[in-house]
Amino acid sequence: AQTVTQSQPEMSVQEAETVTLSCTYDTSESDYYLFWYKQPPSRQMILVIRQEAYKQQNATENRFSVNFQKAAKSFSLKISDSQLGDAAMYFCAYRSAVFGNEKLTFGTGTRLTIIP
Amino acid sequence: DADVTQTPRNRITKTGKRIMLECSQTKGHDRMYWYRQDPGLGLRLIYYSFDVKDINKGEISDGYSVSRQAQAKFSLSLESAIPNQTALYFCATSATGRNQPQHFGDGTRLSIL
Repeated sequence: AQTVTQSQPEMSVQEAETVTLSCTYDTSESDYYLFWYKQPPSRQMILVIRQEAYKQQNATENRFSVNFQKAAKSFSLKISDSQLGDAAMYFCAYRSAVFGNEKLTFGTGTRLTIIP
Repeated sequence: DADVTQTPRNRITKTGKRIMLECSQTKGHDRMYWYRQDPGLGLRLIYYSFDVKDINKGEISDGYSVSRQAQAKFSLSLESAIPNQTALYFCATSATGRNQPQHFGDGTRLSIL
């Protein structure tokens, strides 16, 4: 079974600065997907960014980018120019590419605080 | 209107009661999921369904049952609620195919006294 580990329960960053959230995972599969979800105080689960394991290029979505290291099984999220609206819980998630096994396995989350 | 709608948004009930949480979607997705979120544990999968005739247990299905009434509707039941089922429950949907993300409802906060 796959596992996802987020070793930073809490992080804080000054507004406009850059912060990196860590995620590692364990799997024996070679083809899979990785996701970062954001959960603000409103409790919605919002997809931030996704990465396909067979793509070497790191995904980028505006101020959000990932550092995907497949051999190290690491998938960190970098938030540039942090804004107050970025304050939330961030969850890393793994999904197998095997057909019929597309359920998500989540990490325990990192709570990000933005300091004005 | 939300693409994935969960009802109720909040519910307080007593131990031993039967509870049903409902989820409906307008996204036309075949796949639907129920997750439970507890502080410090992230989200854990309870049940999932890949079409109306397909129901599968997740990692924490004990004490829960589901019904896929139609492609758009997937309900979660607690037959006899107990306090340790107090949690935030999420429904999610996804399309079939590679690299399809899951889309979540706004959650149901359930408190069992």
